[in-house]
Parts: sequence; structure tokens; C-alpha cells
Amino acid sequence: EIVLTQSPTTTAASPGEKVTITCLASSSVSNMYWYQQKSGASPKLLIYSTSSLASGVPDRFSGSGSGTSYSLTINTMEAEDAATYYCQQWSSNPPTFGSGTKLEIK
Amino acid sequence: EVQLVESGGGLVQPGRSLKLSCLASGFTFSNYGMNWIRQAPGKGLEWVASISSSSSYIYYADTVKGRFTISRDNAKNTLYLQMTSLRSEDTALYYCARRSRWAPFDYWGQGVMVTVSS
Repeated sequence: EIVLTQSPTTTAASPGEKVTITCLASSSVSNMYWYQQKSGASPKLLIYSTSSLASGVPDRFSGSGSGTSYSLTINTMEAEDAATYYCQQWSSNPPTFGSGTKLEIK
Repeated sequence: EVQLVESGGGLVQPGRSLKLSCLASGFTFSNYGMNWIRQAPGKGLEWVASISSSSSYIYYADTVKGRFTISRDNAKNTLYLQMTSLRSEDTALYYCARRSRWAPFDYWGQGVMVTVSS
């Protein structure tokens, strides 16, 4: 099973600040997916195939990476971006998720 | 608009069974693979099971293999999860999620709570 390690576990950012969340895989994966889960809501697909924005996702979000190292970047933090973010792989079975990064607004 | 609505959750005693349903609308259900994913209270996401569009391919997490059965009825646009021999560690919010060509879980339902307790 591929283990995904996210960092940081928790972070806070001021409006307008740049935020980067990292996801390290225990083995190489071909693609990474990112999900956003706001408090009390279902997860929502944010990024697919490492760097493609899902429909309706603001372009301040971006994804990058390859092999075992991937990242999600919010270019300019907004209050509505406060949420928990999860990375996820399905390059090999079983599909696995990172443990999540809680992002708060300062 | 894609909609996934789960139902069938509740409080159940350890060792008992429960069957979850997920009613899909807004897309051609028979063309998509489907998944169950769960989230224990205050915890992260755990994939549970997947089924292909025609039920030809089915996969389970090791934690539920032999106890849970995923199935679907394409005529009724409904996904199911039959859960048996339930344990306290199965307590979670269960989501159904659609699989598309570009993402394993592109749309999620609102979730249904399953609590296993005596």
C-alpha cells in the first residue's frame, strides 16, 4: 500500500498569502489528486491528474509534482479557502489518501 | 446536475448487518464506476470499495473484505453497500463517490452516518 504523508498537518494563512501543501508518497505514483473538505461538508475534487483544475475551481489553486513528491498551492489565500485538504493516489491498489492538512485563516 | 444521495445508515449493534444505498441522478449511472469511502468521526478519508460500471470489477479494502459487499442496480440508478459483522471501528460517515475518466472520485454524496455500538 502506498502511504501518502502530507505536511504541514495544520497551518494558518492571512488573506492574500501564498500557501503550499506537500504530499510525499512512499512509492512513485503517476498522478496525484487533491480534495477540499470544508467543515461539515463532503469532500470536493480540486485537482486531478496532478495539475488540472476541476470544474469551477478558482485559478488561484494549482498542483504540481512527479514521482514521490507533489504539492498543492493556493496563490493568494482567501477566507473561503479555509478547509482540510487531502491528497490521494490510485496508481496502485488500494487507493489511498493523505491524512489531511487543515488550513485556517488568520 | 450530478447528485448522489446516500441512505440506510443508523445505529446498529456489533455483529449485526446494515445495507446502505446511494441513489444517483443527473448523469448516465450505467456508464460510471462507483465507490464507497468512509470517514470516522474527526478522522481522514478511507476508501472502502469500488465497482465498475457493469459490475465486472469489484475491489475492497482489506479492512472490510469478506464482510462488506458492494453492488449496483443500473436500472434503478442505485449503488449499494451490504455491511455484515459490523465492528465499532466501522463507525463512520459513509460517502458514495463517482469515478470518471479523469478522477477516481469526482463527485461525492453528502454521506450517511453508521454508528456501531451496543
